[in-house]
Formats: sequence, C-alpha cells, structure tokens
Amino acid sequence: DQQVKQNSPSLSVQEGRISILNCDYTNSMFDYFLWYKKYPAEGPTFLISISSIKDKNEDGRFTVFLNKSAKHLSLHIVPSQPGDSAVYFCAASGDDMRFGAGTRLTVKP
Amino acid sequence: DTGVSQDPRHKITKRGQNVTFRCDPISEHNRLYWYRQTLGQGPEFLTYFQNEAQLEKSRLLSDRFSAERPKGSFSTLEIQRTEQGDSAMYLCASSWGRSSSYNSPLHFGNGTRLTVT
Repeated sequence: DQQVKQNSPSLSVQEGRISILNCDYTNSMFDYFLWYKKYPAEGPTFLISISSIKDKNEDGRFTVFLNKSAKHLSLHIVPSQPGDSAVYFCAASGDDMRFGAGTRLTVKP
Repeated sequence: DTGVSQDPRHKITKRGQNVTFRCDPISEHNRLYWYRQTLGQGPEFLTYFQNEAQLEKSRLLSDRFSAERPKGSFSTLEIQRTEQGDSAMYLCASSWGRSSSYNSPLHFGNGTRLTVT
C-alpha cells in the first residue's frame, strides 16, 4: 500500500524560477515529514523536514509547506539552480518511515 | 564523521548463492536501518536496530534475509539462496533517537547494488 505518493515522476524548470514538488499521504498518524535529494550513484541526502505541529519550515532556498487537512506537503525551491537537478523523495514518519517514489527535477540553464 | 559507509558498492552473484553486505553507521548514532530500493521506487523499509536489538522487521523481509548488529556498531545483511527478484539497491541508514518514533532524519550510505543473474 502506497501511503506516500509523489504523482509527478518528473519536473523541468528554468534556472532562476521556482520549483514546486508535491507529495500526498494517506496515514493521519504520520507526524514528521522530510524531503531527501538523491544524485545518481549516491544514497538519499536529507534536505529539510517539518513537524506536524507546523505548517511551514524554511531553510535558505528551500521551504516545505504542510497542509494537514489535505494530507499534502510541498517543497519549494527558489531560485532553482542547475545543481538542484536530482531525484527528490518525500518521506513521512510515525511508527515507521515511508517514502514516495520520487520526482526527478531538471533545472535547465 | 565520515558518514554511513557501505561495502561492497556493487555485487554480482548467481542465483542461489549467498551474499552479505556490511554497513558502518555514523558512530554517534544508536539506530541503524536497512532499506531496499528498486528502479522507479522510493526506499522500502526492511529492518531496524536500536543499538544491538533488532526492533522491527518488514514483512518484505523473507526468511532468506537476516540482519545482525553485534555490539551495536556495524551491521550485516545476509541474503541466502538469492533470487533474481532480490536485485536492487540495498541502502543502510543511521540516526540518533530516544523514543520509538521516527522523529529525526535518517542519514543514508551510498548503497550496495546487487545484481542476481
């Protein structure tokens, strides 16, 4: 059962513009949410997280938004840079940690 | 802190053979996890240790899979009688945590890519 879903397998944006990656979850018991970035031949790298008691967390160019009523979170990258090109996984945790299938972001110069 | 280290990076084996992977977590971390990732999917949880105790195992982990973490330091994942369906990237991660919930980020290694021919 896919409790964490990333419905867009890929996203392409122009350098300098905003990238918005989306994630939906089904389990209302999840209370901690994370985004990971993965480059080829490397393991996922932690990017940013948010607790369920918040609706926004910002770290430099990266902001994560959480809408608990919609069971939806998003990652905004502003401005996008070519080095941001990678696969992005969202994850949700409670008693365990579940990952989405990932979205491949391509930032074009 | 050299991060999570996994060995080997790649393993090619014939069906029916046994394989063993090793993971060295970040030294201060008390939790260690094994995940499996196949093409086009996110990491899938296999098992988790807190110190030397194996606290949780996924139903994905068949009897052919066994994991150990002696002395609460490095961990090994063994797959016996490998099958072609076992071909995947095996990821190890570690974290620091006190409660039973997953409320801190996992730090992943670069994985071991297993190919079963």
